[in-house]
Amino acid sequence: GDSVTQMEGPVTLSEEAFLTINCTYTATGYPSLFWYVQYPGEGLQLLLKATKADDKGSNKGFEATYRKETTSFHLEKGSVQVSDSAVYFCALFLTGGFKTIFGAGTRLFVKA
Amino acid sequence: DAGVTQSPTHLIKTRGQQVTLRCSPKSGHDTVSWYQQALGQGPQFIFQYYEEEERQRGNFPDRFSGHQFPNYSSELNVNALLLGDSALYLCASSPPGTGGLGYTFGSGTRLTVV
Repeated sequence: GDSVTQMEGPVTLSEEAFLTINCTYTATGYPSLFWYVQYPGEGLQLLLKATKADDKGSNKGFEATYRKETTSFHLEKGSVQVSDSAVYFCALFLTGGFKTIFGAGTRLFVKA
Repeated sequence: DAGVTQSPTHLIKTRGQQVTLRCSPKSGHDTVSWYQQALGQGPQFIFQYYEEEERQRGNFPDRFSGHQFPNYSSELNVNALLLGDSALYLCASSPPGTGGLGYTFGSGTRLTVV
């Protein structure tokens, strides 16, 4: 079935370090791909998205490129801040499927 | 512009009881989806409501049921609660014509079953 696999956390970085969170997917069709972020005690917020192969989603310094050949959508940021500490979820949506499938989440801690 | 509103924010119930959770979608949205997020896990799709009917359902037992009202608000009902039903329940709404894409999430209802 359709699924999303992302790297296990927690990921602990110092402020201004480079971030990569790996995400790969399995899908029967051509999904749209997303990264969501969840801060403590809150719901999920859409961080960025890409709807077709080679698209790059970007927001707040975060980027991810839809790689169809490797079925991947890795999240990157060049310089993390303490305020980026949160749980990050990779997700996919298949048109006509009506639901979004989420990965298990990766917790990020950024130290000052 | 109000986003997605869920109530209550926290709830404690006893095994075997029934619970109703409520969701008001973002203004202009007509589709409501419900997710269960167990501690340390990603959200799992329960079902989606559109035009007052259940359009799609995930792998959840019939103890989980829902309803959508003419104003697009929605309820999630869980009967015969089990300890394993303890989780954060998230509601997400979507705008018309997106087939459930373009979620705006609420902050969730934290359900604890004791």
